[in-house]
Order: sequence, then C-alpha cells, then structure tokens
Amino acid sequence: DAKTTQPPSMDCAEGRAANLPCNHSTISGNEYVYWYRQIHSQGPQYIIHGLKNNETNEMASLIITEDRKSSTLILPHATLRDTAVYYCIVRVAPISNFGNEKLTFGTGTRLTIIP
Amino acid sequence: ETGVTQTPRHLVMGMTNKKSLKCEQHLGHNAMYWYKQSAKKPLELMFVYNFKEQTENNSVPSRFSPECPNSSHLFLHLHTLQPEDSALYLCASSLSTGAYEQYFGPGTRLTVT
Repeated sequence: DAKTTQPPSMDCAEGRAANLPCNHSTISGNEYVYWYRQIHSQGPQYIIHGLKNNETNEMASLIITEDRKSSTLILPHATLRDTAVYYCIVRVAPISNFGNEKLTFGTGTRLTIIP
Repeated sequence: ETGVTQTPRHLVMGMTNKKSLKCEQHLGHNAMYWYKQSAKKPLELMFVYNFKEQTENNSVPSRFSPECPNSSHLFLHLHTLQPEDSALYLCASSLSTGAYEQYFGPGTRLTVT
C-alpha cells in the first residue's frame, strides 16, 4: 500500500473548519483514501473514504486532488469532541468479500480543538 | 458505542500468568481483527479472521494465541508475556475482509509486570 504523510499536529479554533492534509504521492489507481480518527482512550473510528471524487457524509468532507497525490479532510464546524488523532490511510480496493487488503495505520495528525 | 465490546478493559498480569482477552460484536459481521497499539507506535495488525478462518498472522509471537469460535466472538489467549507486550489491544470487525469500514472496540489496556 502507498505511504501517506501527515503533519504530526494541528490546532483549530472551536467552531471553525478544520482542514487536515495528507500526501500520498505514490498512490495507485486502485487505491482508496480512508480517514479514521482515534479519540483518547478509545478505538479508531471510521470517518470517510474516497477514490477520486470528493465525498461528504455527516461527519466530514474529503477533497481529493485531481492527480490523487494528496487529499484534505474537512471537519466543517469543529467541536471540542473532535480533538483526536486523525489517520489518513491508503488501501487497495477490495475485490471480493475474501479480499485481504489491510488497513495500515501511520502516526497520524494530532488535532487539538481550542475553545 | 460501536457494537464491538471488549473485556476486560484493563488487565495487569505477571509474566507467568495465563489470561484471555474477549471481543464480541453485535453487528452481524464476518471478519474480526486483533490490533496492538504500543505507546508512541502506530497500530499494528496482529490477526485476521474471515468467516471464522484465520487469514492473517502478522508474524505474531506464539505467546499470543487467537481463537474465533464463531463470527461474533474473538479471543486472544495470552501466556508467558514480556513487559514489552504491555499495550492497548484493539479488536475490530467488518462485514468481511473486503468491506470498506472496520468498527473498533474500546480496547483492553494490558500491563505485564
């Protein structure tokens, strides 16, 4: 799987949009971009994933550049509960229910929401 | 609440003890995973089960022994552990190993003395 690069830490003011960048310059055509987050003392939580189109769900938006070499996770109105470590992961698209495409977590970005 | 529960939440054990970690999912998933998260290190995948069959053993020492009696339950049996095995052990499940989303439990914080 392609390697990802994220800043180790970021701050964001409460109520503002948090924009978390991720570089994945060696991504292949069949690899998806996933975002998970881990709030302190909890297990990771899936946020969103995408291939090449921008995606939005109730938690966040994912913007993927046209060349797919980088992406940005956007939390539109950050709250204190969004303080967590955010992981950007690139993973080969599963081809069946028996696919063995692993999630490989890096060190992520520690996002701190400031009151 | 993700639908994946783990017990115990905290465990302290000596190096000569035998203990087991339990994971249960109430989501109707067919794939289950054990991950290890040590201090200052990324999550490491340990074992994968898909439809009760082990499909991945990520070079885990034999002092860790997984068991998956059915698709809803996953155990990690521990014996003669070392202090460096102290970590947060996380269980996850997904519809299958080919599914996009994994659901994680809260983890068991293990301390080996």
